[in-house]
Parts: sequence; structure tokens; C-alpha cells
Amino acid sequence: QKEVEQDPGPLSVPEGAIVSLNCTYSNSAFQYFMWYRQYSRKGPELLMYTYSSGNKEDGRFTAQVDKSSKYISLFIRDSQPSDSATYLCAIYNFNKFYFGSGTKLNVKP
Amino acid sequence: DGGITQSPKYLFRKEGQNVTLSCEQNLNHDAMYWYRQDPGQGLRLIYYSQIVNDFQKGDIAEGYSVSREKKESFPLTVTSAQKNPTAFYLCASSPDRADLTDTQYFGPGTRLTVL
Repeated sequence: QKEVEQDPGPLSVPEGAIVSLNCTYSNSAFQYFMWYRQYSRKGPELLMYTYSSGNKEDGRFTAQVDKSSKYISLFIRDSQPSDSATYLCAIYNFNKFYFGSGTKLNVKP
Repeated sequence: DGGITQSPKYLFRKEGQNVTLSCEQNLNHDAMYWYRQDPGQGLRLIYYSQIVNDFQKGDIAEGYSVSREKKESFPLTVTSAQKNPTAFYLCASSPDRADLTDTQYFGPGTRLTVL
């Protein structure tokens, strides 16, 4: 079983929509969760980082961790065409980072 | 300007050749990583290093080699033993593992194509 699983999409939404991106993970001991955004042919850039459970908000982005169901989510409010990218969830555990396969998001103007 | 640089941006290799991808960081990070990314797949860890002169194999180390002679540099050699090397290669670094507030930063990547 992979450490983290992510729906690859693609996901296409109209501008202004609320977007929900999700991952599941295998080990209930995981504590450090991250979301990265990757534009085409570029390196990933860190969007959000959360420790343990709960929500974290940064502007239009909210990261949520539900440890009881081993589920992590990224919500994007008022989505913009500039949000079109691939979003990767990641988990850190004992010196290694585990990445989901990425969800490709397209926000149509 | 602090960050991670990778060179070259594009690299072409003939069958049977070894090639070396450069990765340099001026963030004073202890740990450095190499990942491979294929279309529609996530990042797969090739090698990582937590301190100078020490490194560990990741999940797909076969056909690759690394060195960590300096804290700021972590070059990756793709050898002729790597059967399917065409991919996007990403280098990353992170501070001491006990401090994750900055977590992991990525370079811009090198796209390697085997001719």
C-alpha cells in the first residue's frame, strides 16, 4: 500500500468555483502534511504546511487534516485561472517525504 | 537571492552515456534530495543526503549515483545502467529534520531526454 494516494483528476472548474483536492494516507502515525503547487515544467512550490490535525488557512487556501479518517484536503475559494496547475499532497516522516501523484486543476475563465 | 539552482534545464543523452545533473543550494540546508517525475506520476525519491559525505538510497536508486562533498552541492549522475532515464528530475533541500516550518524547497528541474 502506498503511503499517500491522490486522485489524479484532471479537474476542470469555472472561475470563482470552490475547489476541493483530496488525498488519503496509510499510516495513522503521520503528523506532517504539505500541499505543493506545480506549474507545467517547473519545480513544485510549497503552498501550505500543517502539523497534526485541524485546519490552516492562508488567503483563499485552506488545508484540512482529518486524522480519524486519514484524509487530507486542500480547498481553494474563488478559484482563478492562475490557480491552474498540478497540486501535490505530501507527507513527511523520518527524513523522507512521500508525495501523491498530483491532481491537475484547470480553472476556466 | 536564496534558493536552489539546477543545471542544465534541458539535457539530451545518447544511449550508453553517463550524464551528470547539477544541484546547488545557498539556503544552508542540511538535507538534499533527488526525485524523478514521470508524466501522470508523483515524485519518486532517487537518493537523499542529510549531511556532507553521507547519502542514502531512495525508492528507485538503481542506475543512479550521487555525491555530497559540499553542503551546498548534490550532483546526480544518470548512468548507462538506468534503462529508462527520460524524465523530469527535481532536486530539493530542507533544513534540519527537527525544524519543518520551512519544509522542503525545490529547484526548477532538469528535463533529461535520451535520444
